[in-house]
Amino acid sequence: NAGVTQTPKFQVLKTGQSMTLQCAQDMNHEYMSWYRQDPGMGLRLIHYSVGAGITDQGEVPNGYNVSRSTTEDFPLRLLSAAPSQTSVYFCASSPTGYYGYTFGSGTRLTVV
Amino acid sequence: AQTVTQSQPEMSVQEAETVTLSCTYDTSESDYYLFWYKQPPSRQMILVIRQEAYKQQNATENRFSVNFQKAAKSFSLKISDSQLGDAAMYFCAYSPYNTDKLIFGTGTRLQVFP
Repeated sequence: NAGVTQTPKFQVLKTGQSMTLQCAQDMNHEYMSWYRQDPGMGLRLIHYSVGAGITDQGEVPNGYNVSRSTTEDFPLRLLSAAPSQTSVYFCASSPTGYYGYTFGSGTRLTVV
Repeated sequence: AQTVTQSQPEMSVQEAETVTLSCTYDTSESDYYLFWYKQPPSRQMILVIRQEAYKQQNATENRFSVNFQKAAKSFSLKISDSQLGDAAMYFCAYSPYNTDKLIFGTGTRLQVFP
């Protein structure tokens, strides 16, 4: 049982490049979310999904896209990377909001 | 807007002693969930304890317990018999009932001294 798996763990991008952060969970959780963590600001919700085919925006969605074609996978796409997107990104999943979330180990992204 | 405030950026405690981390939140909802997460230097986010707002009884998990004051919108975390492995960032989080969203505070860095 691997839990929530995020890849890559580290990434450096040039301004304007695009990339996809991968997230997969093997716990059959319906709820999945993406957060970014910036110094002094805690974690902020980017996008979330309550099931396959259903996604919605969180607090800071601009510059990011998501899709949920399967229960297991919830990739986060950066369309045109900007230095302001330098952050640590966490994917999380939960069977329901009540249980709290299981987090992946994070991706540290640097945009230069 | 719903917000979570952790007013202590840093706290320290001696091994085997007790420490309390503060958290307040602002909401007009009556049903919600509250959580404490631990983030050690490994960066992994680990769920420590959770509380349902409709339950008056304070949650406990081994050495970790909460003091939930619904009217005051306060949700503090007490760590008893502190251990070196408790050193980490601690985040308080709020989740409105029946939603998928976690709203985090800015965190408290806990140092544990031998």
